[in-house]
Amino acid sequence: GAVVSQHPSWVICKSGTSVKIECRSLDFQATTMFWYRQFPKQSLMLMATSNEGSKATYEQGVEKDKFLINHASLTLSTLTVTSAHPEDSSFYICSAPGGGNTIYFGEGSWLTVV
Amino acid sequence: DQQVKQNSPSLSVQEGRISILNCDYTNSMFDYFLWYKKYPAEGPTFLISISSIKDKNEDGRFTVFLNKSAKHLSLHIVPSQPGDSAVYFCAALTGDRGSTLGRLYFGRGTQLTVWP
Repeated sequence: GAVVSQHPSWVICKSGTSVKIECRSLDFQATTMFWYRQFPKQSLMLMATSNEGSKATYEQGVEKDKFLINHASLTLSTLTVTSAHPEDSSFYICSAPGGGNTIYFGEGSWLTVV
Repeated sequence: DQQVKQNSPSLSVQEGRISILNCDYTNSMFDYFLWYKKYPAEGPTFLISISSIKDKNEDGRFTVFLNKSAKHLSLHIVPSQPGDSAVYFCAALTGDRGSTLGRLYFGRGTQLTVWP
């Protein structure tokens, strides 16, 4: 069945470096994907909406130059955390609508910046 | 602005008893509600959903009730099992045509602990 695959699941990077997280829709096309972030014991907060072939839409307070989103194909969206800092350490997760009210989530990516 | 609220951060229930998780919302344009179960560092797992045209949906041990006039929904788990211990998120989809299809609004979650 339809699945959203996200990787890496875990990544540790040094402060100041960039990290790319990929989100792929398998067996279906996703013109829209959503990127959420979850801090410990907090809700999943929408960061941005990724649109295939056009610019992403960012939520208020999310720096678009820091969190670069690319949705170059109908099955792949990437989130790049640029110049990562320890406060960017969080759980990042993507989702894609699968038709109707079905939402598919990726497995999530745990980022630790040291 | 938290449009979906889960005011109880935690709930502890004995095995075999009923767990009731509550959720309130403020946006009257929400027309579909979902409950997810989540473990740390994993993606949410879909449990059950309900359309705003219904007031109840049941799936095995899980039942979701919707009180549209009160903008309140609840998830009932009976009987509760230790394996149900996880964080449960309430989420909503909007019927607002101007909004992006598939954008979920989440509550903060409730940590359910089921003890033997």
